[in-house]
Amino acid sequence: DTEVTQTPKHLVMGMTNKKSLKCEQHMGHRAMYWYKQKAKKPPELMFVYSYEKLSINESVPSRFSPECPNSSLLNLHLHALQPEDSALYLCASSQDLVMGVSGNTIYFGEGSWLTVV
Amino acid sequence: AQKITQTQPGMFVQEKEAVTLDCTYDTSDPSYGLFWYKQPSSGEMIFLIYQGSYDQQNATEGRYSLNFQKARKSANLVISASQLGDSAMYFCAMREVNTNAGKSTFGDGTTLTVKP
Repeated sequence: DTEVTQTPKHLVMGMTNKKSLKCEQHMGHRAMYWYKQKAKKPPELMFVYSYEKLSINESVPSRFSPECPNSSLLNLHLHALQPEDSALYLCASSQDLVMGVSGNTIYFGEGSWLTVV
Repeated sequence: AQKITQTQPGMFVQEKEAVTLDCTYDTSDPSYGLFWYKQPSSGEMIFLIYQGSYDQQNATEGRYSLNFQKARKSANLVISASQLGDSAMYFCAMREVNTNAGKSTFGDGTTLTVKP
């Protein structure tokens, strides 16, 4: 079983709705990630938090707003989304942001399937 | 620039046989890590195996092994004794040690279908 848990598993929202995706990890990891994945494509990095501070924003539209309330939690707030934002959203975590010569595996959650109608 | 190439969009294998999924990479960083992930249709991205660029031996994890050929810049995944539950999409990924902190490069993936 994955140690990165995401809720909800499925979400359908209208273009005027406000919703949030939630992610939790209890591995003591200090880096947490949001990825977006379209069908049959590799995941695309959206945001990275390191020690609860936003380290990377891959030029993501402002209708996606990340939040890291503490070292175990990561949220993605959604507002005024477009149908093309429908995708699988994957949360992930790793021990640290830096790769390191001994390895620093990124572990993913089960994902949240988002449909924007 | 870092790049991962997976040249097999789809692969078929008979149950109980072995299969090799190809992955080649390119990077200018002398230190890096290579990862394989499995993604069933349910969506979860499952970590399978890791190989560091300085590791002398090929990584193994149960039925998974990584055929690492550094000079050829290849990191092929070998799955032995395939099972029906191995049917999934498989991604090869790379992270660099000295550059691009926090960023992974993924290949386009290979869809593996195990036939009974």
